[in-house]
Amino acid sequence: ETGVTQTPRHLVMGMTNKKSLKCEQHLGHNAMYWYKQSAKKPLELMFVYNFKEQTENNSVPSRFSPECPNSSHLFLHLHTLQPEDSALYLCASSQDPGESSYNEQFFGPGTRLTVL
Amino acid sequence: AQTVTQSQPEMSVQEAETVTLSCTYDTSENNYYLFWYKQPPSRQMILVIRQEAYKQQNATENRFSVNFQKAAKSFSLKISDSQLGDTAMYFCAFMGGTASKLTFGTGTRLQVTL
Repeated sequence: ETGVTQTPRHLVMGMTNKKSLKCEQHLGHNAMYWYKQSAKKPLELMFVYNFKEQTENNSVPSRFSPECPNSSHLFLHLHTLQPEDSALYLCASSQDPGESSYNEQFFGPGTRLTVL
Repeated sequence: AQTVTQSQPEMSVQEAETVTLSCTYDTSENNYYLFWYKQPPSRQMILVIRQEAYKQQNATENRFSVNFQKAAKSFSLKISDSQLGDTAMYFCAFMGGTASKLTFGTGTRLQVTL
């Protein structure tokens, strides 16, 4: 596997379910990101992890719980979601943002989440 | 806070023709980066082209070029000799000079037709 991978690609869940999204990067990067992509809205940055430490939480509701066990893996744990949480969830990775003024972010294919 | 505006929700162009996608942004920073990302129907977002604000020369990558007007805070993407594979959503994005956070526009859906 190369680049950034995400599983599952599609997920349908009820409001009372608990599920997790997984992201894995094979690029040797140190920073990982979760974005939410809703129709006709800009991509919204949700969380940033740098060297496994959360460096940004963009006022995301607590029903979304990120986990970053190491620099290669990022999870998004979901519980008691709402229908308006249905969206495409994208993961991205980059080199350590602190080492350079610019580091390209590489994106995964996303997980299409539908909350019933 | 930075904002990025893409005023064209959808565009269509015939194969082999040229199309220009518009993007404007607002920032108080002097050093920053601008990007165009492409998201084909398969959904993997890929970087098409980037521009450093301190460079006056417009960036070019094969058939893709930008018209960067710093004073006007405008950053348009020109696609020459359009191909069917260019069909995708195109997102304009901004990154501050020392930050890793990307601010995206709402996107332009480009359809290349025969």
